[in-house]
Amino acid sequence: KAGVTQTPRYLIKTRGQQVTLSCSPISGHRSVSWYQQTPGQGLQFLFEYFSETQRNKGNFPGRFSGRQFSNSRSEMNVSTLELGDSALYLCASSFFDRNTEAFFGQGTRLTVV
Amino acid sequence: DQQVKQNSPSLSVQEGRISILNCDYTNSMFDYFLWYKKYPAEGPTFLISISSIKDKNEDGRFTVFLNKSAKHLSLHIVPSQPGDSAVYFCAASRSFGNEKLTFGTGTRLTIIP
Repeated sequence: KAGVTQTPRYLIKTRGQQVTLSCSPISGHRSVSWYQQTPGQGLQFLFEYFSETQRNKGNFPGRFSGRQFSNSRSEMNVSTLELGDSALYLCASSFFDRNTEAFFGQGTRLTVV
Repeated sequence: DQQVKQNSPSLSVQEGRISILNCDYTNSMFDYFLWYKKYPAEGPTFLISISSIKDKNEDGRFTVFLNKSAKHLSLHIVPSQPGDSAVYFCAASRSFGNEKLTFGTGTRLTIIP
């Protein structure tokens, strides 16, 4: 069974631009969560979608948004990019309602210059 | 507010010895705990979990211990192998409701041959 797929793997953007990242969960998984990983900060929770509805949201500014489609694929968007948005963005999917034993994708490494 | 803390950013252990990774949490509502392992350029992979109804869970070389009164959990790896070199994240959640996973900042484990 295919794992969680994130595209693209690497991305370089300039300040002020916007970016869209994509995540395809494991087949049958309905919950998709997004995390930002930066050195020394661990994995910071961005948001979680379940059946096309945002169910949980972390403490990130409104520039960070997401959505989930009927096939459970999810996208996250960051507008007006800042240098501090440079990070590894990870997507995780899980089968059950609660976000335990989540399966992660390889991540998208975003660099803002 | 960091509800899940891994106070050791790094740890070096001789091959064949025991590796002990520690994690503390502050939210007494957490009742489900997980450990994830992350190699560079890959997403975290689930390692082992424990529910608050238990104080120990074992899976091969990996054992997780939970001390609810101290709000502390630890991961023991015995014996340590070079392939165990990675960043280890502990995570916590509430098993009821749609609670997200809260991650610690990670501990980089290096196994010395």
